[in-house]
Amino acid sequence: EIVLTQSPGTLSLSPGERATLSCRASQSVSSSYLAWYQQKPGQAPRLLIYGASSRATGIPDRFSGSGSGTDFTLTISRLEPEDFAVYYCQQYGSSALTFGGGTKVEIK
Amino acid sequence: QVQLVQSGAEVKKPGSSVKVSCKASGGTFSSYAISWVRQAPGQGLEWMGRIIPILGIANYAQKFQGRVTITADKSTSTAYMELSSLRSEDTAVYYCARETVVVTTGWFDPWGQGTLVTVSS
Repeated sequence: EIVLTQSPGTLSLSPGERATLSCRASQSVSSSYLAWYQQKPGQAPRLLIYGASSRATGIPDRFSGSGSGTDFTLTISRLEPEDFAVYYCQQYGSSALTFGGGTKVEIK
Repeated sequence: QVQLVQSGAEVKKPGSSVKVSCKASGGTFSSYAISWVRQAPGQGLEWMGRIIPILGIANYAQKFQGRVTITADKSTSTAYMELSSLRSEDTAVYYCARETVVVTTGWFDPWGQGTLVTVSS
C-alpha cells in the first residue's frame, strides 16, 4: 500500500498569501495518478485536481497542482477567505487507493 | 450533472448492522462506479469499497472484507453500503462518491452529503 504523507499538518497564512502544500508518497505513483480535495467543516470533500495537475470543472485557476513520482504539490496562488479548509491528497495509481492525512490551512 | 443524495443519520448498537443508501440523479447510473469513503470524527478519509452497477461487481478494501457489502439497484439508481458487526470505532460519517476509474482505481467527484453513523450502547 502506498502511504501518502502530507506536510505541513497546519499552515497558518493570511488572505492574499500563497499556500504551498506537499504530498509525499512512500513509492512512486504511477502515471501521476494523484488527486487533491478540499474539505470545509461539516461538508463533503470537493475535488480540486486530478492527474496531478488537471483542474476539476469549476475550480478557480488560483489552484494548481504539480509533481510526479513521489513528490506532489498543491499551490494556491492567492488565498481567498473561502480557501481556508483542510486539503487531502489521494493516489489512484495502485489497486489499493489511499489518502493522505490532510493539511489544514488556517487564517493567521 | 450527477448528484448523490444519501439517507439520514443512524444510531446503532454495537454488534448490529447499518445500511446506508445513496441515490443518484443525472448521468447514467449504471455506467460509472460508486465508492464509499468514511471519515471518523476529526480524522482523515478511508476508502471502503466500490461497485460498478453495470457489471454488478463490488470490491472492497482489505480492512473491511467480510464486514461490508455494497450493492446497487439500477432500477432506482441507488447504491447501498451495509456494514455489519458494528463497534464504536465505526462511528463516522459515511460518504458515497462517483469514482472515475482509471485502470483499477480513480478519483472521486461528486460526493454525497454524508451520513453520520453513531455506534453506541
